[in-house]
Amino acid sequence: GESVGLHLPTLSVQEGDNSIINCAYSNSASDYFIWYKQESGKGPQFIIDIRSNMDKRQGQRVTVLLNKTVKHLSLQIAATQPGDSAVYFCAENLGDYKLSFGAGTTVTVRA
Amino acid sequence: DAGVIQSPRHEVTEMGQEVTLRCKPISGHNSLFWYRQTMMRGLELLIYFNNNVPIDDSGMPEDRFSAKMPNASFSTLKIQPSEPRDSAVYFCASSFLGRGTYEQYFGPGTRLTVT
Repeated sequence: GESVGLHLPTLSVQEGDNSIINCAYSNSASDYFIWYKQESGKGPQFIIDIRSNMDKRQGQRVTVLLNKTVKHLSLQIAATQPGDSAVYFCAENLGDYKLSFGAGTTVTVRA
Repeated sequence: DAGVIQSPRHEVTEMGQEVTLRCKPISGHNSLFWYRQTMMRGLELLIYFNNNVPIDDSGMPEDRFSAKMPNASFSTLKIQPSEPRDSAVYFCASSFLGRGTYEQYFGPGTRLTVT
């Protein structure tokens, strides 16, 4: 069936560098995407979202890019900090308010 | 705002026992979601409620699982009888649907271990 998936399960980044986390989706009808951050022992926390009528959206130190042509979503984190170490999930709206989550990418920030 | 509250945070039980997980959504939210997270299957939606009514329970694994939402401020997820394969972290999330956003606010989760 159609699903959301992540290209890489892990990402190691030097503190201060920019991070890019990628996500592929296959449901061309999806009209809404969201990124969550999950720290160890905690529930997922909202980072940023984007609708399918947009290509880019910026937040505080984060930018989400949406390429509908190749069904690709990315999350960019500027000046990565130790507190950014976590698992990052992309999710897509399946309709009827249901979100389908990807497998997650573990980001480790090196000091 | 206290956020979504779940209890207990940890539960260890023996196979065959009944387990009840509890959730208090954020005040004013009209939707509540129950998820299960495991290493093998990731984050799976079990059931969700809108205005206290179950809308989609297609993710509930089997009849051993049941969920209720008697009022806007409380929900339970019950497993009876529990099995070792039910061991997972169970999350409750709430949202206000209808504002044009699908953002869900997650609780801290309940880590369930069935021995």
